[in-house]
Amino acid sequence: GNSVTQMEGPVTLSEEAFLTINCTYTATGYPSLFWYVQYPGEGLQLLLKATKADDKGSNKGFEATYRKETTSFHLEKGSVQVSDSAVYFCALRGITGNQFYFGTGTSLTVIP
Amino acid sequence: NAGVTQTPKFQVLKTGQSMTLQCAQDMNHEYMSWYRQDPGMGLRLIHYSVGAGITDQGEVPNGYNVSRSTTEDFPLRLLSAAPSQTSVYFCASRKQGVITEAFFGQGTRLTVV
Repeated sequence: GNSVTQMEGPVTLSEEAFLTINCTYTATGYPSLFWYVQYPGEGLQLLLKATKADDKGSNKGFEATYRKETTSFHLEKGSVQVSDSAVYFCALRGITGNQFYFGTGTSLTVIP
Repeated sequence: NAGVTQTPKFQVLKTGQSMTLQCAQDMNHEYMSWYRQDPGMGLRLIHYSVGAGITDQGEVPNGYNVSRSTTEDFPLRLLSAAPSQTSVYFCASRKQGVITEAFFGQGTRLTVV
């Protein structure tokens, strides 16, 4: 079946540090992969997505590359800001069916 | 641009009470769904709909009912609230298509005492 495993949190970083949040998935075929971000008290917002192998999604300085060979979609940012403090969810949607499968979320706190 | 609107934002219920969580979208999306978010468990799908008049169960449907009489609205009903239904509920919608992303409402924080 489909599932997503992402790195446990919480993660605390200093401003301008490098961020990696690991995400691996299990799925048949070629799912679409997503990173969503949830700021405090808000709903989830799409951060970036990739729909086929070797695609790189990017937005707001965040990047993630769809790696079929390692079934991974790790989120990276070169220099985090305090405003990046949020919970990040990795998700996939299979080639059939209507369901999104979410990881458990990784809480990020960036301190000045 | 309203997007996906959920009401209420907060609700406290007593065990055994019933209530309806409202969800409306103005993007003419075919698909709508309800998730619950619990600590350490991510988001789990409760029910979803692929269009008006069509609904189906997700991963955790027990204790919840849905209907989809219009494209815009997808209410979630708790028939007899239980403490295990204390959670944050999110409604989401998306357009038909394999690679389309979901748009989420701001959530309803429900506490059942």
